[in-house]
Parts: sequence; C-alpha cells; structure tokens
Amino acid sequence: EADIYQTPRYLVIGTGKKITLECSQTMGHDKMYWYQQDPGMELHLIHYSYGVNSTEKGDLSSESTVSRIRTEHFPLTLESARPSHTSQYLCASSDPGKTHEQYFGPGTRLTVT
Amino acid sequence: GIQVEQSPPDLILQEGANSTLRCNFSDSVNNLQWFHQNPWGQLINLFYIPSGTKQNGRLSATTVATERYSLLYISSSQTTDSGVYFCAVALYSGGGADGLTFGKGTHLIIQP
Repeated sequence: EADIYQTPRYLVIGTGKKITLECSQTMGHDKMYWYQQDPGMELHLIHYSYGVNSTEKGDLSSESTVSRIRTEHFPLTLESARPSHTSQYLCASSDPGKTHEQYFGPGTRLTVT
Repeated sequence: GIQVEQSPPDLILQEGANSTLRCNFSDSVNNLQWFHQNPWGQLINLFYIPSGTKQNGRLSATTVATERYSLLYISSSQTTDSGVYFCAVALYSGGGADGLTFGKGTHLIIQP
C-alpha cells in the first residue's frame, strides 16, 4: 500500500543531543516537504526537495538540515537539540505530474528537555 | 506571500448539527486543500479543490477561485468529526516545489 511513514512517532530527548527524524514514502513522488507545527498552531514549511540531491529552505527559518539521497527517503537532522525545537514535525510528498495534492505522514512529536 | 484566513476559529455544536467553515485567501492559487487533524496530530486529506464543488459523504466543499474563498460543509455532525480543520493553499508555477500555506484552522467540537 502506498503511504508515507515517519519514525519515531514520539521522541523525548535531552538538550545537546543529535537527532534524526525519518521520513519515507512509497508513493513514487518526486517532491517532499517538512513542516513544523507548534501546539495549537498552523503548520509552517521548513524544508522541501524537488528530487534526489535537491534540498531547499522553506518559509520558516529552522536550525535543522535535510538530505535527499534516495527518492523515497527525506530525513531531517538536528545537530544539537534545544528546548526551542520542541514541536511536531510532519513530512509530506506530492506528485507534480498529476495535481500538486500533498499527502502527509503521521508526524513526529519531539520534546527536548 | 499568500495570506490565509479561516473562520470561525472555534465552533461547538451538538451531534447532528450542520456547519460551514470558511477559508479566505489573498491571491490566486492553483492548489487548495482541506485537512482534518485528528487528536493524534495526523493530517487527513479531505478535499483537493482549487476550484469547483466536490462531495464525499457528509462532507462537501466549494471553492470560488475568482472571489478567493472556499467553504467546507459538514452535515449531520458526529463526535468523530471533532478536531481541527485546516485550509491550505499554494501557487505553483514552472515546476516550483513551494509548499502549502496554512490557515490557523477551525477547532470544531461536537458534543453528544
């Protein structure tokens, strides 16, 4: 079944740790996105990718980095987590060949203590 | 960038009631999506509707692109309809991968 997967779903980690949030999709989509959502707030785009070896920053400045070595995989990394990084992170993908409709993964809820 | 305003911000209804959620946007778009965010935080796609009208069961949506607004109708509400409803838009041109711009959402509570 074509889908978008994110791991872990929940993560509690101490300040200063390096973390990687995983996102994989089996939909065959070229374009992928990362959004950040603070509790009770709207989503903001922080990174996107047109395809392999393409990464771009989004509208909201973020200290995280991303990579796109394989079409289906778009991980997000924080080199040194801080309490201000506490948020939900949602990954999405879209197929520009049909519509630009975006599909979202279940999200990772990150808490930095 | 494009501005998105959703109304009302909060809505409390009794089970069985009907509701209309509104989304206004400030510029031309060629992507408009409605989502339902469940209590676990997952975004569920409801409609991809840059223009026209669509229906899916008790839900329907209409977008009037020339007047820059979209409406989401929920009929015969059920408690499982509770959650946050987001409208999100984008204007794609020449293969750009820019993401969606989201409104602040409508928080809907359906009471039994």
